[in-house]
Amino acid sequence: DARVTQTPRHKVTEMGQEVTMRCQPILGHNTVFWYRQTMMQGLELLAYFRNRAPLDDSGMPKDRFSAEMPDATLATLKIQPSEPRDSAVYFCASGPAGTGPLGYTFGSGTRLTVV
Amino acid sequence: GQNIDQPTEMTATEGAIVQINCTYQTSGFNGLFWYQQHAGEAPTFLSYNVLDGLEEKGRFSSFLSRSKGYSYLLLKELQMKDSASYLCAVFTGGGNKLTFGTGTQLKVEL
Repeated sequence: DARVTQTPRHKVTEMGQEVTMRCQPILGHNTVFWYRQTMMQGLELLAYFRNRAPLDDSGMPKDRFSAEMPDATLATLKIQPSEPRDSAVYFCASGPAGTGPLGYTFGSGTRLTVV
Repeated sequence: GQNIDQPTEMTATEGAIVQINCTYQTSGFNGLFWYQQHAGEAPTFLSYNVLDGLEEKGRFSSFLSRSKGYSYLLLKELQMKDSASYLCAVFTGGGNKLTFGTGTQLKVEL
């Protein structure tokens, strides 16, 4: 089965350090999403891309977060500097054009702990 | 903006039926989706509704009333493996956004 690959699976870092999370969408999927999940807030949409162009990043704290798609096979989410409140599970999802959520596949997530 | 509400926790007995409710307020509604998420795993798609009514899919059914901003997920013949978080999500097609509720943690007991 095709899958969305996220790396690393787990990351522990100290406050103030830069964190980069990576996502390899399913080949041929042109829509990529970044979500953050915490106990209190649930799954929150941070940003999404279509054909590598950012369409909406209104859910993302702009001062420290950035999301990019350097090419069609890689999406990155960067936090600089990281803070303890950024501790969460970060999910990437991808989908093909025109399917809506029925075609979305989630990655296994990156569990980030900032100490 | 979007507002999606669902109960935080529910407990049910193996073999029983449970209904998980979801209410929402949104603009540009284009469908309501239900996901299951086991601890430490990614959400997986269960069921969806675009039009009013009941959609049945094996042990899982989902209902939608767009005029009331209301949906429910019905799980029949509960099994222990159904213990998980159930997420209600609203799709707004204009922005291609899937917005999730905070999830209902279901515990199935013997």
